[in-house]
Amino acid sequence: DIVMTQSPDSLAVSLGETATLNCKSSQSVLYSSNNKNYLAWYQQKPRQPPKLLIYWASTRESGVPDRFSGSGSGTDFTLTISSLQAEDVAVYYCQQYYSTPPGFGQGTKVEIK
Amino acid sequence: QVQLVQSGAEVKRPGSSLKVSCRTSGATFSTSSINWVRQAPGQGLEWMGSVIPRFGTGNYAKKFRDRVSMTTDESTSTIYMELRSLFFNDTAVYYCATRPGYDSAFDVWGPGTQVSVSA
Repeated sequence: DIVMTQSPDSLAVSLGETATLNCKSSQSVLYSSNNKNYLAWYQQKPRQPPKLLIYWASTRESGVPDRFSGSGSGTDFTLTISSLQAEDVAVYYCQQYYSTPPGFGQGTKVEIK
Repeated sequence: QVQLVQSGAEVKRPGSSLKVSCRTSGATFSTSSINWVRQAPGQGLEWMGSVIPRFGTGNYAKKFRDRVSMTTDESTSTIYMELRSLFFNDTAVYYCATRPGYDSAFDVWGPGTQVSVSA
């Protein structure tokens, strides 16, 4: 199974500043035949289901604000939240969907400093 | 727009069975896979398995393989997840989520079903 590890576990950022979240997979999730990284990011607010933010490592889901951006390839990935807003307080999960089981990282909690 | 509606909260005894439903609307029911993910209190997300209604057979995580079943009812566009021989640590919120294709992420999630296992 591919193991996903996120860092840090929690992060406090001032309003308007940038939050940088990291995700590492135990093996590459880059599929060579289409050059796509099978990596997604989800946002989960308290008492809500997760919401898909980013897929293919860097493609924003429809309706997601452009202050959310994803980058990385192979085994190392980053979610960047530019100009943090109060409504961005949540836990963020990365997920690989390259192979079964499609596993999640343990999450990074983002709070306001 | 795809929507998922899940059955209500349940309280179960250890050793009993649980059956949670997930009704889909606005989706191509037969071709998307429906995945089940659970979240224990204060914990992360754990994939349990999936089923593609067109094929009907489930694909289960090793951890649950001997006590989980995922079935479908095409007439009502409903997917069921049954978990048997419940333990206290099966207490969790159970989510269904759609995955349009094998190379897709989980794009729509249900609201979750709270399950408490208590003596």
